[in-house]
Amino acid sequence: EDQVTQSPEALRLQEGESSSLNCSYTVSGLRGLFWYRQDPGKGPEFLFTLYSAGEEKEKERLKATLTKKESFLHITAPKPEDSATYLCAVQAWTGRRALTFGSGTRLQVQP
Amino acid sequence: KAGVTQTPRYLIKTRGQQVTLSCSPISGHRSVSWYQQTPGQGLQFLFEYFSETQRNKGNFPGRFSGRQFSNSRSEMNVSTLELGDSALYLCASGTSGVRPYNEQFFGPGTRLTVL
Repeated sequence: EDQVTQSPEALRLQEGESSSLNCSYTVSGLRGLFWYRQDPGKGPEFLFTLYSAGEEKEKERLKATLTKKESFLHITAPKPEDSATYLCAVQAWTGRRALTFGSGTRLQVQP
Repeated sequence: KAGVTQTPRYLIKTRGQQVTLSCSPISGHRSVSWYQQTPGQGLQFLFEYFSETQRNKGNFPGRFSGRQFSNSRSEMNVSTLELGDSALYLCASGTSGVRPYNEQFFGPGTRLTVL
């Protein structure tokens, strides 16, 4: 069974204080690993897809990396508007094509 | 390009009633997936439709059903509502085929409250 574990559950940063969020996964053949951002009461907003170990993608202050067992979302010099829940999900080549989500990391960036 | 739209945004029902939620995917997307999000269980997959056919189904009881129309719009139905069905129901629209295959883009969700 595919599993995704995200850590930490919650993270409080000062504005400008860089950090990383972790997503550990087990999947029977990784088709893709996805990062989403979710604001309270809204649907998840797509950020990145990573397909193979060693791949990296960047968007503004966010950078996602992938190894064979985990993915990191690095946040550089965060701003208060980066406060949200960050969700990681995996999709396997076999079985259902659905996304299996982790429980998320709640990030709060204080000014 | 317009995003995924879901209607209604909020619903209040009582136990035993049934409810129908609607989702319009991004233009050109043929895959529509439905997810249930609750504080305790997180995001859980309900089912996926592609070209009017249910392609995958999650581990939910038969009270949860769905369908997709020829214009890719999708509906999900929950019959005999229970208190535990209170949740945010999310629809995701996806591409299918060559990379970026099946990146899923979510709608704003329908907040269902069962009293």
